[in-house]
Amino acid sequence: DGGITQSPKYLFRKEGQNVTLSCEQNLNHDAMYWYRQDPGQGLRLIYYSQIVNDFQKGDIAEGYSVSREKKESFPLTVTSAQKNPTAFYLCASRGASGLLSYNEQFFGPGTRLTVL
Amino acid sequence: GQQVMQIPQYQHVQEGEDFTTYCNSSTTLSNIQWYKQRPGGHPVFLIQLVKSGEVKKQKRLTFQFGEAKKNSSLHITATQTTDVGTYFCAAGNSGGSNYKLTFGKGTLLTVNP
Repeated sequence: DGGITQSPKYLFRKEGQNVTLSCEQNLNHDAMYWYRQDPGQGLRLIYYSQIVNDFQKGDIAEGYSVSREKKESFPLTVTSAQKNPTAFYLCASRGASGLLSYNEQFFGPGTRLTVL
Repeated sequence: GQQVMQIPQYQHVQEGEDFTTYCNSSTTLSNIQWYKQRPGGHPVFLIQLVKSGEVKKQKRLTFQFGEAKKNSSLHITATQTTDVGTYFCAAGNSGGSNYKLTFGKGTLLTVNP
């Protein structure tokens, strides 16, 4: 069954703790993205990666970090430096790069993070 | 970076009525995509528009890209309860190996049966 998995669906952490959100895809996609969604705010890009061992900051990268050691995996760490970490986090992937016809992004089910 | 303004923020309709959401940019867009997110779900790709003046239809949904490539719209004819959700437009940059999307804030559609 091809797709994107994110785990866990719900995550609770205490303030001051770092937490890592998982994102795995078996679509053989090159590009992967992390978004944050807050009520009424749409999706905002945190980090993205077009290829293994390379990634770029998005619009709201402060307080977050990522790695891309494998094509299938793009974990996101929410650090204690992120001032308002409670949000819905969505991971997405995209197929072949360089062709507009492959721009569709496929989203995972998301992780709802609550920091207490 | 790119910004896209989407209106309205909310729209409530009676089942059978039509619905339209609009997406506007102050700069010329390379391409625009539309996504639908059901309540509690994740965004799902609907369509991509690339050409100036392009119009595409998917059953009761009609998507348009403005002649100046600065605006786009999604129109749903005769809404059904299955249309409930948030509709997002997303502007893509010029593509290539650094492709990314900038999302509008979305329009939440609710349908009264």
